[in-house]
Amino acid sequence: DAGVIQSPRHEVTEMGQEVTLRCKPISGHDYLFWYRQTMMRGLELLIYFNNNVPIDDSGMPEDRFSAKMPNASFSTLKIQPSEPRDSAVYFCASSLPGPTGELFFGEGSRLTVL
Amino acid sequence: GDSVTQMEGPVTLSEEAFLTINCTYTATGYPSLFWYVQYPGEGLQLLLKATKADDKGSNKGFEATYRKETTSFHLEKGSVQVSDSAVYFCALHKAAGNKLTFGGGTRVLVKP
Repeated sequence: DAGVIQSPRHEVTEMGQEVTLRCKPISGHDYLFWYRQTMMRGLELLIYFNNNVPIDDSGMPEDRFSAKMPNASFSTLKIQPSEPRDSAVYFCASSLPGPTGELFFGEGSRLTVL
Repeated sequence: GDSVTQMEGPVTLSEEAFLTINCTYTATGYPSLFWYVQYPGEGLQLLLKATKADDKGSNKGFEATYRKETTSFHLEKGSVQVSDSAVYFCALHKAAGNKLTFGGGTRVLVKP
């Protein structure tokens, strides 16, 4: 079975540019999470969805960040405009129905903003 | 709020050594506890879990026991291999809100 698929794996962009990260969750999973990982702050939950509806976006750092889940098989995380401090690895994860705590993570998208 | 504290790394060991990574938590109610592992260049994956006090989670030779009296969930392995080199994350989960709260991660390096 395919796992969580993220794209791109690596993105290098210049400050001020728009960045879009994409995620395809595991089929049948109804929770989707976006995390950010940095050396300084560790793993931070940015936002999560249940059945395509955003449930908690309290971790989204500022208005430059937005996330959507138009259907059960696709989600995007957008940063506009990007800044160097946004450089991080962004992970998408999904989980089965029910609050189990058992997340399946993608391989991450490494973002570098110059 | 809820929080997880784990020992800072890196932890450097020789192959076949005993590994312990300490994890303590602060939470109201009755959380479930998890260990996730992140191998180089990959996402996190679930290693083991325990859902209630005195439960022991185990997988791939790793074990951890949910100790409510000490609010701890220490990870142990009796004989590590080079392939165990990774970053290990302790986490707690409460059904209400369905969010995992992660510790800062502990990097483990096993040398041959």
